[in-house]
Amino acid sequence: DQQVKQNSPSLSVQEGRISILNCDYTNSMFDYFLWYKKYPAEGPTFLISISSIKDKNEDGRFTVFLNKSAKHLSLHIVPSQPGDSAVYFCAASLSGSARQLTFGSGTQLTVLP
Amino acid sequence: EPEVTQTPSHQVTQMGQEVILRCVPISNHLYFYWYRQILGQKVEFLVSFYNNEISEKSEIFDDQFSVERPDGSNFTLKIRSTKLEDSAMYFCASKKSDGGTNEQFFGPGTRLTVL
Repeated sequence: DQQVKQNSPSLSVQEGRISILNCDYTNSMFDYFLWYKKYPAEGPTFLISISSIKDKNEDGRFTVFLNKSAKHLSLHIVPSQPGDSAVYFCAASLSGSARQLTFGSGTQLTVLP
Repeated sequence: EPEVTQTPSHQVTQMGQEVILRCVPISNHLYFYWYRQILGQKVEFLVSFYNNEISEKSEIFDDQFSVERPDGSNFTLKIRSTKLEDSAMYFCASKKSDGGTNEQFFGPGTRLTVL
C-alpha cells in the first residue's frame, strides 16, 4: 500500500545550498501533511506541517510546499547545514479525531561540508 | 521541553513470550499512538487511543496486541505471544488535541528482538 511515496532514497547536498525533498501521495482524502526528521536510534522528530487549505508553510530554514492538484509536496531546507543530515519522512493524515499518520519510506539527506 | 519517553530501549525475548512496552506521553496530551518500523521498512501505524479506549487500529494490531493506560501517565503496548516477525522498533507518540492540526510527537522507540 503505497499511499505516500518518497521516490528518492537518498540526496546529497553541499553545505549552504538548498535541499529539496519530494513526496507524492495517492489518496486525495489526505488533508494534513507533515515532515519528520529521524536520526539513527532515535524517534522521528516533528519538523513542519501543512494543512490542505494552504499551499505553503514556512518556519525558519524550512518551507513546505503543497500542490494538491499534483498530489505532491516538497520540503525545502535553505541554507542546508551538516547537522541536517538525517532521514526525512513525509507523512499524511485523513480528517477525523485520531488521525493516524501514513508515512513515506524516507529520504536520507547528507549535507556535505 | 516535554518529551515522550519509552522503556526499555531494547527488549530481547524468546518467541512465544509476552512483552510489555512502556511509554510516558507528554503530560497534557490526549491522543496516544503506537507505530512500528521493521528494519528497512516504513513506519507503520498500529493503534490510536483516546479517552481510555482504542480509536483506530490497523490490520497489524490483531488479538495478540493490546494497549492500556493503567494510570494517568503510562501507556503500554502488550504483545501476548511474540513471533519472529514482531521484531521491530516500536514508537509511541502523543498528540495534544484535535484542534485542526495533527502534530504527533514521538518517543525514542523500543527495539524489540524476538529470538
